[in-house]
Amino acid sequence: DADVTQTPRNRITKTGKRIMLECSQTKGHDRMYWYRQDPGLGLRLIYYSFDVKDINKGEISDGYSVSRQAQAKFSLSLESAIPNQTALYFCATSDSVAGQPQHFGDGTRLSIL
Amino acid sequence: DQQVKQNSPSLSVQEGRISILNCDYTNSMFDYFLWYKKYPAEGPTFLISISSIKDKNEDGRFTVFLNKSAKHLSLHIVPSQPGDSAVYFCAASAQDYKLSFGAGTTVTVRA
Repeated sequence: DADVTQTPRNRITKTGKRIMLECSQTKGHDRMYWYRQDPGLGLRLIYYSFDVKDINKGEISDGYSVSRQAQAKFSLSLESAIPNQTALYFCATSDSVAGQPQHFGDGTRLSIL
Repeated sequence: DQQVKQNSPSLSVQEGRISILNCDYTNSMFDYFLWYKKYPAEGPTFLISISSIKDKNEDGRFTVFLNKSAKHLSLHIVPSQPGDSAVYFCAASAQDYKLSFGAGTTVTVRA
């Protein structure tokens, strides 16, 4: 089983709909992250959480919200989806030690029509 | 403005030869640098990292070089193999543990 699991893997929806992307991990890491990947831009940080009671905005948080339901679960919501939120979304986790790499899920491909 | 830049979108190399991927950064507060490899339909996987107190780190066929004065790092893959064909992302972090990524370089290893 994957250490970082994202659901769904693919989603097509319409403008204005509410969408939730879910992430769960079995690595026991405290820190969790949400990124989006767009062609030519690499991965950009949307939100991150260093523990269950900690939520922080990343560089592109507008239009998104998150919930850290438990140490192992971190969900990303688009309250009212718009076409320019069409992207590949990745969840990641990391240990609480400086320099430790982040571990990524396999991504959710989201298309908003 | 992107703080980590990979100026070569693609690289084609013959099997057995060296692949050199380059990365530049602008934030002098970055103290860890990482390379990730990504295959289609999969998430990025960690490849190798280097701390700012070092100028070289080697792991098998992969070596990362860091030139702090030039704010430049490179990844060398020797020898290149067909399974190395993937997108490679350079990333950097400061004390806040957040990663800033470059746009990626697509490597194609030719037989």
